[in-house]
Amino acid sequence: QKEVEQDPGPLSVPEGAIVSLNCTYSNSAFQYFMWYRQYSRKGPELLMYTYSSGNKEDGRFTAQVDKSSKYISLFIRDSQPSDSATYLCAMSAKKGNNRLAFGKGNQVVVIP
Amino acid sequence: KAGVTQTPRYLIKTRGQQVTLSCSPISGHRSVSWYQQTPGQGLQFLFEYFSETQRNKGNFPGRFSGRQFSNSRSEMNVSTLELGDSALYLCASSSGGYTGELFFGEGSRLTVL
Repeated sequence: QKEVEQDPGPLSVPEGAIVSLNCTYSNSAFQYFMWYRQYSRKGPELLMYTYSSGNKEDGRFTAQVDKSSKYISLFIRDSQPSDSATYLCAMSAKKGNNRLAFGKGNQVVVIP
Repeated sequence: KAGVTQTPRYLIKTRGQQVTLSCSPISGHRSVSWYQQTPGQGLQFLFEYFSETQRNKGNFPGRFSGRQFSNSRSEMNVSTLELGDSALYLCASSSGGYTGELFFGEGSRLTVL
């Protein structure tokens, strides 16, 4: 079993819809949770970063972490065509540790 | 501020050859991490260097090696290439303290024939 599971299926939504993405993980030591966005032919860029359980909101993006269920989510409200990208969840156990465990990513297409 | 620069961007090699990839981190960043990205396995951690020392290592065979220079630039080397080494190799830099943010380059796409 991989440490981080992210159903890699593509997702197509109409512009303005809410996009919901999620990951599950098996390592209970994970405390730092991230979402990266990767555009085609580019490297990933950090979207959201959360520590431990809870919610974090940044504009149209909301990240949720439920450590008891080992489940994290990313919601994109009012999705735009510019949100079309691959979204990767990532996590690590230790502060100062840049060894991240990534999910496989979800390709999201927002249709105008 | 210039971003993370990786060279070459694309390269084709044959089985058994070796390859060296280069990464120049963001100015002032002392940590460089390398990841392999494939459709089947996603992003997998190779190793991290901080101030010229390997700080972390992933679960890759010894054919994969790296180093970091005093100016924080880093290279990774893959020897005796196999078909399965075809991948996008991503370099990421960070300041070394943990902010949760790795700054990735655009990657070097390696094809092994």
